[in-house]
Amino acid sequence: SYELTQPPSVSVFAGQTARITCSGESMPNQYAYWYQQKPGQAPVLVIYKDSERPSGIPERFSGSRSGTTVTLTISGVQAEDEADYYCQSPDSSGPYYDVVFGGGTKLTVL
Amino acid sequence: QVQLQESGPELVKPSQTLSLTCTVSGNFLSRDNYYWTWIRQPAGKGPQWLGHIYIPGRTKYSPSLESRVTISLDTSKNQFSLNLSSVTAADTAVYRCARGIIVVTPGGKTQTFFDYWGQGTLVTVSS
Repeated sequence: SYELTQPPSVSVFAGQTARITCSGESMPNQYAYWYQQKPGQAPVLVIYKDSERPSGIPERFSGSRSGTTVTLTISGVQAEDEADYYCQSPDSSGPYYDVVFGGGTKLTVL
Repeated sequence: QVQLQESGPELVKPSQTLSLTCTVSGNFLSRDNYYWTWIRQPAGKGPQWLGHIYIPGRTKYSPSLESRVTISLDTSKNQFSLNLSSVTAADTAVYRCARGIIVVTPGGKTQTFFDYWGQGTLVTVSS
């Protein structure tokens, strides 16, 4: 089955830049989306269509892509950004329609 | 602003059918530009898409669960529902409903992403 690969964890000091990657074979042909999830809460969309930011999401969140990898960048990380982050992108490798999430990256703010 | 709220039994016995309902605020279910979606998340794991339904009642299901999943829509009640049959302990998870936005890529592919989610309900499969 199709997989999106994320690093299990990323740690940065407050005020620094955090970069979380997500890679998948179908990524060049599909948009990617990013969600932030804090404990006990539903995921919150932070980036859509690779690099668009929903209203209400701080400008320090940005998205980019290069080949089979997309990256969520959080500039000037704040303590409130500590959360799990999930990428999402469809599987276009086979005949079936499927929505796939990455395994998640735990961002720790030191 | 859209609000979604899941409801249903929190404990289901193995081999039985898990049934949940999502109630959506406003009149959004009657619009044909959204995918009304079920997503689950086992403890400590990432979300898993189960499937969605859209006007006029068309469905798409996860290939890995397609034989056990049914999603239905009742616009008169502003609700859509999930049935998952023949459950096992592996189906224990937080189940959430969500609104899917429909996107068409420059290459003509249709995708979705989720802008509003319910808080979720923990369903445990156990005898």
